[in-house]
Amino acid sequence: SAVISQKPSRDICQRGTSLTIQCQVDSQVTMMFWYRQQPGQSLTLIATANQGSEATYESGFVIDKFPISRPNLTFSTLTVSNMSPEDSSIYLCSVALGDTSEQYFGPGTRLTVT
Amino acid sequence: AQTVTQSQPEMSVQEAETVTLSCTYDTSESDYYLFWYKQPPSRQMILVIRQEAYKQQNATENRFSVNFQKAAKSFSLKISDSQLGDAAMYFCAYTVNDMRFGAGTRLTVKP
Repeated sequence: SAVISQKPSRDICQRGTSLTIQCQVDSQVTMMFWYRQQPGQSLTLIATANQGSEATYESGFVIDKFPISRPNLTFSTLTVSNMSPEDSSIYLCSVALGDTSEQYFGPGTRLTVT
Repeated sequence: AQTVTQSQPEMSVQEAETVTLSCTYDTSESDYYLFWYKQPPSRQMILVIRQEAYKQQNATENRFSVNFQKAAKSFSLKISDSQLGDAAMYFCAYTVNDMRFGAGTRLTVKP
């Protein structure tokens, strides 16, 4: 397994501002993922972040709104840009380990946009 | 498209009893992995159990076991001897490359 931390754990932000969420893993991993989980909902994949390449975004998510960095094999950031109340969600990062593609998740960042 | 369906938004079980959570999925792939994740109110996603599609034997992890029916594309989770700490949202997930999640089942455990 892997130990994953996220910062901040929660934040309240004003609309129109941006927030950068950090994800740190205790071991080197190739594949990292960013998810959004709206209140009472399931997880929706935002993008896959592999070190050394551009992030791959899912339909409905764009780089201008959710820029992602992956500077090394243990760290990634997700920025939520020009926030609106609709961006209020839990944002989770995860990593894939081993041949079975099982994923391990960080504790999440609860974002509230007012 | 890959879809994962959990038809039970909520389930309830008496402490020490057994409960089964349902999951079906749709895929054209023959090789894939299935998972059950638990998300307690603390929101930390915890991997409960994993099943490889090429294995006929059902996975078991202590009190948790699955009933994997590949032809029916069904992957149910059985929790035996339910404990209060089992109360959580349970998500069924499928992956070939990207992981896709079902809508979740909220499990309540009654003392």
